[in-house]
Amino acid sequence: EAGVTQSPTHLIKTRGQQATLRCSPISGHTSVYWYQQALGLGLQFLLWYDEGEERNRGNFPPRFSGRQFPNYSSELNVNALELEDSALYLCASSRQGGINSPLHFGNGTRLTVT
Amino acid sequence: AQTVTQSQPEMSVQEAETVTLSCTYDTSESNYYLFWYKQPPSRQMILVIRQEAYKQQNATENRFSVNFQKAAKSFSLKISDSQLGDTAMYFCAFMKGDDKIIFGKGTRLHILP
Repeated sequence: EAGVTQSPTHLIKTRGQQATLRCSPISGHTSVYWYQQALGLGLQFLLWYDEGEERNRGNFPPRFSGRQFPNYSSELNVNALELEDSALYLCASSRQGGINSPLHFGNGTRLTVT
Repeated sequence: AQTVTQSQPEMSVQEAETVTLSCTYDTSESNYYLFWYKQPPSRQMILVIRQEAYKQQNATENRFSVNFQKAAKSFSLKISDSQLGDTAMYFCAFMKGDDKIIFGKGTRLHILP
């Protein structure tokens, strides 16, 4: 069984640009979660998609957005990049939201904003 | 709002020793779930162990066990007979019902040969 895949592995952008990060969940998983892991801050919840709809959103500005496609893959878009957006962005998937569906994480996309 | 606190940013222990990682949380919920995740240098987060709050019995997975103290809102992870492969960042996490998982800031654990 293929795990959660994220692309690209690394992404370098300049301040003000836009970044697009992609995530493919495990086959059969309908929920996709996005987390930002900045140095010293742990994992900060960004977005949760399930069955194509946004279920929950973390405390991030609107320039962080995303979507989930009919095949359950997901995109995270970050507009007007700022230096503090530099972080590891982790995607996780589960069969459905909730306790009975543990999260399976990808290896992340390392975003560097210069 | 729920919070998760890990008070030990970094720890080091000798191989084969037992180590305990601390975690406290704050919630007004009565039913929730707690997790420990491991993130090795490869970056991929792996679920180590989970505990349902309504269960009094502490969860155990091989060398990993938890000490769940609901009244004290404490959820520590004990690693017995530690191995070099246990070197990783460990995150304590909280989840209520059908909601997102909230993570602590992590404890970096070094297992020394």
